[in-house]
Amino acid sequence: GENVEQHPSTLSVQEGDSAVIKCTYSDSASNYFPWYKQELGKRPQLIIDIRSNVGEKKDQRIAVTLNKTAKHFSLHITETQPEDSAVYFCAASIPSGGYQKVTFGTGTKLQVIP
Amino acid sequence: DGGITQSPKYLFRKEGQNVTLSCEQNLNHDAMYWYRQDPGQGLRLIYYSQIVNDFQKGDIAEGYSVSREKKESFPLTVTSAQKNPTAFYLCASSSLARTGELFFGEGSRLTVL
Repeated sequence: GENVEQHPSTLSVQEGDSAVIKCTYSDSASNYFPWYKQELGKRPQLIIDIRSNVGEKKDQRIAVTLNKTAKHFSLHITETQPEDSAVYFCAASIPSGGYQKVTFGTGTKLQVIP
Repeated sequence: DGGITQSPKYLFRKEGQNVTLSCEQNLNHDAMYWYRQDPGQGLRLIYYSQIVNDFQKGDIAEGYSVSREKKESFPLTVTSAQKNPTAFYLCASSSLARTGELFFGEGSRLTVL
């Protein structure tokens, strides 16, 4: 089955700096790569996603890149703010027997220091 | 308001007892999922369903069971066969048009005493 690895597990940055979180996946059939943000005590929420036919996508201060050949994708947050502090999860979605199975990475706890 | 509702939010259970977690959505989504969240292990897929009366095992299905009798509902039963049931359980749903774009419930925290 699909395996998604995520690094680093924790990340501390100064406010205003950039943060980068990296993920790799194992199954080349994966075709959709969402990123979720989970604030303390809250549910995960989708913040950005990318499909396998696109190499990069940007939404204000966040961007995601995808390298299908190397099977890795990354989340970039620029000009970090304290409210960016949360746990971030990458995921890979793969067609499976008529279903779409979504496998998550282990998460990155981002701390933005004011 | 459209959304996905899980209940109960907190649940305590004695060893050897089965417990059922409720998940209801009014988003008209076809696909529903159950994940387990443990510290340092991310979200691990237990079961998922795309249509009524059909569901698939995820990566950690042992000791769990589900049903999908209605499109809106996808309850999860944690059985006594589950060795380490204490965890945070998250239910999610998505449309078939945008499968993988998950909407999560607020979660249920199960503690086995």
